[in-house]
Order: sequence, then C-alpha cells, then structure tokens
Amino acid sequence: NAGVTQTPKFRILKIGQSMTLQCTQDMNHNYMYWYRQDPGMGLKLIYYSVGAGITDKGEVPNGYNVSRSTTEDFPLRLELAAPSQTSVYFCASSTGTSRYNEQFFGPGTRLTVL
Amino acid sequence: GQQVMQIPQYQHVQEGEDFTTYCNSSTTLSNIQWYKQRPGGHPVFLIQLVKSGEVKKQKRLTFQFGEAKKNSSLHITATQTTDVGTYFCAGRDDYKLSFGAGTTVTVRA
Repeated sequence: NAGVTQTPKFRILKIGQSMTLQCTQDMNHNYMYWYRQDPGMGLKLIYYSVGAGITDKGEVPNGYNVSRSTTEDFPLRLELAAPSQTSVYFCASSTGTSRYNEQFFGPGTRLTVL
Repeated sequence: GQQVMQIPQYQHVQEGEDFTTYCNSSTTLSNIQWYKQRPGGHPVFLIQLVKSGEVKKQKRLTFQFGEAKKNSSLHITATQTTDVGTYFCAGRDDYKLSFGAGTTVTVRA
C-alpha cells in the first residue's frame, strides 16, 4: 500500500494564480482531511470529508475549495492565490471505524505564493 | 472548537537527559492523541489516551492523561538523537482533531 500520496511536492505560484493539490489514498478510508501547517502554528483543518460526495468546512476554509467524487481522491483547489496561503499542506485519512481512528498523513505539499 | 495549547514551544535537550512536554485544554477532552513529526516529514500517530488518569508507555516515552481530562503530558527519558522532531497533541472530537502548536525538540550530542 502506498498510503496517502500527494502531488506536487513543491510549487511556486504567483499572486492570483490557481492550482489544485492532489491527494489520493489506497486504504479505503472514508474520512479525509486537508490541513495547512504554518511555522510554530501547528496544523489547522481546512476542509474534511466523511465519504464520497460529502465535504464540510474546517477551521480555515476561506480561499479553498474541495470535492470528493471518489473514496480515494480528495483534491484541494486554491483560487486566486494570495501570499497568506504560503504554507505546507497535508492531506490525511482515517477509517472512521478503528479503535483509535488515527489519521494517516501524506508527505505534504510545500506551496509558496509570491 | 477545542483549543489545545502546548508548552514549551521549543525544547533543547542534552543527549541522555529527560524532558517533559505539556498539553492543556480549556475544555474537557473526550480523548487525546499524540503525533510526532520528524524534520521535513509528516505527522505520524504515536498514541491515544482515553481514560482519566491513564498512563501509557512506549519504550522511553511515557504519556499521561490528566484526572480532569483537560491536560496531558509526554515524558521522554534518556533522550536520543532519534527523538528529534516536533511532538503534537491533538484533542479528538469524533473524527476531527484539534492540534496544539507542538513542541519542537532538538538534541545536543
């Protein structure tokens, strides 16, 4: 199993550009999450999904959109990129049914907006 | 949502020494999870605590959940260079987690 994979690993955007961060998991997990990590700030939840076709806002959703058309994929869309969106983005998944419901994280995408 | 705070933000430790990092919440937590993130890596699940006063050990790591379920601690004994990284606690609310800011640990050989 590859676990949770994310592409790209690195990206530089200009202000106002758009992009999609890809996330795929092969563990058949129902729950998927997008976080952003800023230095010294921990991880902030952007959006999450409890299953295909169902998404909801997290703590910091402004400037982002998501979709969940399949169990495996949970892309994050940035429209009109701003310098404040410079961050490391992590995708994670969990079963929703295991004892601990621990989250499995992808390797992250490091995004810089200039 | 839950607000989870961690102290200290940075911990510089001499190899072989012990240290403790603390996690505090303003509200009662149903359970708490701990994750470790190595430099340049991604968070990896370590453990979950559920019961009031619960103590769990993983080799040199000891995790504790407070009696009031509003705080938790991670104690590492005989620190090694492999302990370098950032340790996060996270309050679990059903299937969502609220992460603390983390304690970043560096080790002096």
